[in-house]
Parts: sequence; C-alpha cells; structure tokens
Amino acid sequence: GQQLNQSPQSMFIQEGEDVSMNCTSSSIFNTWLWYKQDPGEGPVLLIALYKAGELTSNGRLTAQFGITRKDSFLNISASIPSDVGIYFCAGKGGGSQGNLIFGKGTKLSVKP
Amino acid sequence: KAGVTQTPRYLIKTRGQQVTLSCSPISGHRSVSWYQQTPGQGLQFLFEYFSETQRNKGNFPGRFSGRQFSNSRSEMNVSTLELGDSALYLCASSVGTVSYEQYFGPGTRLTVT
Repeated sequence: GQQLNQSPQSMFIQEGEDVSMNCTSSSIFNTWLWYKQDPGEGPVLLIALYKAGELTSNGRLTAQFGITRKDSFLNISASIPSDVGIYFCAGKGGGSQGNLIFGKGTKLSVKP
Repeated sequence: KAGVTQTPRYLIKTRGQQVTLSCSPISGHRSVSWYQQTPGQGLQFLFEYFSETQRNKGNFPGRFSGRQFSNSRSEMNVSTLELGDSALYLCASSVGTVSYEQYFGPGTRLTVT
C-alpha cells in the first residue's frame, strides 16, 4: 500500500541539540499530522497541519506543511531527555474517504 | 474530556482461537479507526467506522472484522488467530468530518502462542 518515506529512521540526541526530521510522499496530502509514541503507549498527537506552507509550533516543536503538499518537516529545538521516543508523520488526502497514511517513524535516543 | 480507552490492555491467546477487542472513543467523536502495529511493519491501517458504517478498509484478510455501535463504541474481532497476529492493536477516534485529527488509545497488546 501507499507509504510515506520518513527520515531519518533513528537518531541520537544530546541535551540541548536541535533535531530535524521529515516525511515525503509521492501523493499530495491535504492534512499532515505529527505524533510521538512512548514505549507501551499509543501515539500522541503533537501538531496538525492543514495548509500548504503552514508553519505551526507547539512549545519547542515546530512543523511545516511543504508547499508542494508532498512533504512535511518537524523540528525540535533544545532537546531534553523526555523527547526520546518514536515520532511518526501521517498524511491524508482530500475528502472523507481515504485513511491516514503513516510513516515508519523516527526513533530518538539519547546519545551515550 | 476522557481520552480513548481500550480493553483489554493485554491478551494472550492460542493459535486458532478468536479474540474481540473493544474501543471507546472520545465523547462526541463519530469515527473510530483501528491499526495494527508491529516492529517490522509499523502502523498498518485495518479499518475505519463512521456512524456505524465501515468507511474505509485496509489490506487485511477477512479474519479481521469490526463493527461500531450507535454510541460510537467499536469492537474488532480476529478469528482463527495466527502467530503473525501478535501485535499492538491501536484504536483512534476523530470527529470524522472536517477535522481528521486522530487521537489514539493506549492499545491492546495481543500475544498469540
């Protein structure tokens, strides 16, 4: 089935560093969502984007809806230990039909 | 507002058995979607119900089925369980119209032995 390409697959962070990840698709999406999942829990919605070019922040998190409508980016500024987890992007095409498509996730770990 | 709840949280079943999982959406949400999450495949969409009707369906065999009740609560059933059905099953609810933001429950961890 249709999938999103999310990168990087994993990354190590040191406290205070900025982090960037992105998702790309071959299809145009009307909605981009970013989630974070902690072990043993369900994904938690972080940011929702609805317009091409839209830039939305949630605390230290900032996400952008790419102008081509085929990509989205998530940045985390000044990372802290509790930022570790798996971040998923999800996209949806237009209309009520069609489900959310999820990326495979970016796993954030603390640099040893 | 209470979040999405799923029961049970953990389940161990034997191959060949069947299982029913339950999901109660956020109050006012009419759409419930089900996902299977495994380390290798990530989040795979099973189906979505909206106002008691299946609105979308993923690429899973007919052993996977679901339904939604008039109060928006949903159940999914897996019959003739296989070892490969071991996974975290997540349900997510959304308003279902205009906004498609989905809010996930904690999941049901199913282990098939």
